[in-house]
Amino acid sequence: GQSLEQPSEVTAVEGAIVQINCTYQTSGFYGLSWYQQHDGGAPTFLSYNALDGLEETGRFSSFLSRSDSYGYLLLQELQMKDSASYFCAVRVGNFNKFYFGSGTKLNVKP
Amino acid sequence: GAGVSQSPSNKVTEKGKDVELRCDPISGHTALYWYRQSLGQGLEFLIYFQGNSAPDKSGLPSDRFSAERTGGSVSTLTIQRTQQEDSAVYLCASNPGPSNYGYTFGSGTRLTVV
Repeated sequence: GQSLEQPSEVTAVEGAIVQINCTYQTSGFYGLSWYQQHDGGAPTFLSYNALDGLEETGRFSSFLSRSDSYGYLLLQELQMKDSASYFCAVRVGNFNKFYFGSGTKLNVKP
Repeated sequence: GAGVSQSPSNKVTEKGKDVELRCDPISGHTALYWYRQSLGQGLEFLIYFQGNSAPDKSGLPSDRFSAERTGGSVSTLTIQRTQQEDSAVYLCASNPGPSNYGYTFGSGTRLTVV
């Protein structure tokens, strides 16, 4: 089976930097994705990492270490609109199927 | 269409009744997924369709759940003899196919079993 761990909640101040960690245990790991979900909304795709290292897309960056079974999402220059839940998801096997963590609720305060 | 469309957006049903949830994926997307999200929880994988291949049903929680995809496009998730623990938001997602790893989700169907 698959096991993913994320902090349940994180609070940060507008303009700050926050890191949301994800550790996973799974067999047949192929990659790690991140999604953002605002309250009452649909999850939206942020990033996918298959290889070790940091990938940057604007204010958001995602990191993966396959040897440590660990990844994180880094959000810079936090804005109020970044308040949402963030889910990591692992791709298992050579299929396009992902298993999701329980999510981290990010609260951005002024 | 421009996005993934799900209907109905809300469904209240009595325990023991059958329900059908519909998903209309993005045109041309060969992969379609159903997930379930209980209040404040993560997304639970249910079923995955890829092109004309046999669906991956490994996430269906019981034989009361079934899904089909007609013509490689629209999908229907059916829950028979609904129970209160089936109450959740049912999310559908589609994806262009292999080598593309981002899902586009619909807004979901909120199912309440009373």
